[in-house]
Amino acid sequence: KNQVEQSPQSLIILEGKNCTLQCNYTVSPFSNLRWYKQDTGRGPVSLTIMTFSENTKSNGRYTATLDADTKQSSLHITASQLSDSASYICVVLPNFNKFYFGSGTKLNVKP
Amino acid sequence: DAGITQSPRHKVTETGTPVTLRCHQTENHRYMYWYRQDPGHGLRLIHYSYGVKDTDKGEVSDGYSVSRSKTEDFLLTLESATSSQTSVYFCAAGGEVGEKLFFGSGTQLSVL
Repeated sequence: KNQVEQSPQSLIILEGKNCTLQCNYTVSPFSNLRWYKQDTGRGPVSLTIMTFSENTKSNGRYTATLDADTKQSSLHITASQLSDSASYICVVLPNFNKFYFGSGTKLNVKP
Repeated sequence: DAGITQSPRHKVTETGTPVTLRCHQTENHRYMYWYRQDPGHGLRLIHYSYGVKDTDKGEVSDGYSVSRSKTEDFLLTLESATSSQTSVYFCAAGGEVGEKLFFGSGTQLSVL
């Protein structure tokens, strides 16, 4: 069964600290993996898209890693800011029009 | 929200009434999608469209229908709303291989 599991479900960190969110998937065959940020009351916004051959991709203070052999990805946030408080969603694609969404990690950055 | 507008943003309706949600995009994306988002679940696909008048079912399509008469508009209709359809509905567009998927801001639907 194609699944995407994210951990932790929720996380609280202090402003300025780093954190890492995890995504494990069983989706096969694999095309690409995406991380989205969803602010409260808004739609998800793309952070990164990674294909099979990429194992690291950065977008500002966000760095995503991918290990296609173990089917794991992580999203590392450096020097967190209050505006990073959001849900982060991992999405895995086996082909162009099928998206498997994780349930998300809710991050709360406190001052 | 990358040229994707959903309307209405909020809707309260009664069980048994028909409801139509509208999604409008300005970027000429071929693919458009309707998702629902519920606590504890990832986004779940209701229906999608791969062109004008070309639509297909997603994983939770029962009780929903869609229409796409123009590239820019994708309508989601609840024929007879039920309380289980209380949810936040997101429209998305784009999503071809390597292409970003862009989301609207969502419609909060409450069925009483």
